[in-house]
Amino acid sequence: DVKVTQSSRYLVKRTGEKVFLECVQDMDHENMFWYRQDPGLGLRLIYFSYDVKMKEKGDIPEGYSVSREKKERFSLILESASTNQTSMYLCASSLFGQGRQNTEAFFGQGTRLTVV
Amino acid sequence: AQSVAQPEDQVNVAEGNPLTVKCTYSVSGNPYLFWYVQYPNRGLQFLLKYITGDNLVKGSYGFEAEFNKSQTSFHLKKPSALVSDSALYFCAVRGLEGNTPLVFGKGTRLSVIA
Repeated sequence: DVKVTQSSRYLVKRTGEKVFLECVQDMDHENMFWYRQDPGLGLRLIYFSYDVKMKEKGDIPEGYSVSREKKERFSLILESASTNQTSMYLCASSLFGQGRQNTEAFFGQGTRLTVV
Repeated sequence: AQSVAQPEDQVNVAEGNPLTVKCTYSVSGNPYLFWYVQYPNRGLQFLLKYITGDNLVKGSYGFEAEFNKSQTSFHLKKPSALVSDSALYFCAVRGLEGNTPLVFGKGTRLSVIA
């Protein structure tokens, strides 16, 4: 079974702190994603990566950055946390390559971040 | 641009009755379509997907979905709802070309009442 593990289930941080959310997958997937989930807005893509050191902006990248130094690990960084970044953050991974577009993405359990 | 619409925020159904959760999509060309379920304070779990072929797709936990190209719809169905089916359901789409991420709908909360 594919396993996507997020380092924390719940986090409480102060405004202005630098926050790191970590995600690790164990199935050698090329693609990794960070989504943000808010009530009534569904899932919105923050960033994704299709290879080590490669990244693409999603729909809402402002206030976030990412790091992918190893294939299995994808980190989301909040440079200076603000209260409007209080949300549920979901990491996902999937295969990439010719003929693999039909494969589903696998999700971690989510990190509920509260910025106070 | 790809997009998904889930027109109902909430669907209520009595246990034992059939359920339908609606999804329509917009994508250039043919789509790959997915349904996911989310239980409280958990990540998303994959239910089923449409790639090509039969328009009726069967998935986990007795769920199925019907692809209708002319109506650009991919509605999730189950013949007999269980209380344990109560959860948040997301429809997602991806185009066939390139390495594009899944685009999700806003979700539909299903409540099955005993």
